[in-house]
Amino acid sequence: RKEVEQDPGPFNVPEGATVAFNCTYSNSASQSFFWYRQDCRKEPKLLMSVYSSGNEDGRFTAQLNRASQYISLLIRDSKLSDSATYLCVVNRVAAGNKLTFGGGTRVLVKP
Amino acid sequence: EAQVTQNPRYLITVTGKKLTVTCSQNMNHEYMSWYRQDPGLGLRQIYYSMNVEVTDKGDVPEGYKVSRKEKRNFPLILESPSPNQTSLYFCASKVRGSSNTEAFFGQGTRLTVV
Repeated sequence: RKEVEQDPGPFNVPEGATVAFNCTYSNSASQSFFWYRQDCRKEPKLLMSVYSSGNEDGRFTAQLNRASQYISLLIRDSKLSDSATYLCVVNRVAAGNKLTFGGGTRVLVKP
Repeated sequence: EAQVTQNPRYLITVTGKKLTVTCSQNMNHEYMSWYRQDPGLGLRQIYYSMNVEVTDKGDVPEGYKVSRKEKRNFPLILESPSPNQTSLYFCASKVRGSSNTEAFFGQGTRLTVV
């Protein structure tokens, strides 16, 4: 079983709609959680960190459920520019501050 | 501008011909790492370095070497490249101290070994 798992998609989303997807992680010792965005084989860029209480950044909302070991990302009022692959990332200090990546969820926003 | 710079961006080489991919960061980060990205497998860590002269294996270190003689540079060396090392490679850096810090990535190196 992969340490971080994501639905690869694609999620086809009409412009203006809301889309949400999850990521599960297997190691309960994981300490920090992130969503990164990657455009078409370019470098990943941090979208947002995920905090225990949940957090919001504009149209993006991230949630963490430690009991069930998953994090989620919700995108409201989707824009064409939101089309990308969203990478779920977990960090464990005990593992040398290692970032472990999920395979990514592809989102396609269509007019 | 804060950045991680990789070179070359694209490289086609032949099996067995040694090559080096350079990585340099200007943010004074202690932690640097190399990843490869393959379809269906996501990003996998090759090697990482917690500081100068400190390196360690990641998940897929076979066939690769690294060095960290200076804080800003972390080159990836393929002594004898093989076709299964054809991949998209990313270098990343971040502050070492906290687990909740952003990793910055280079623009990637697309390597083809024929």
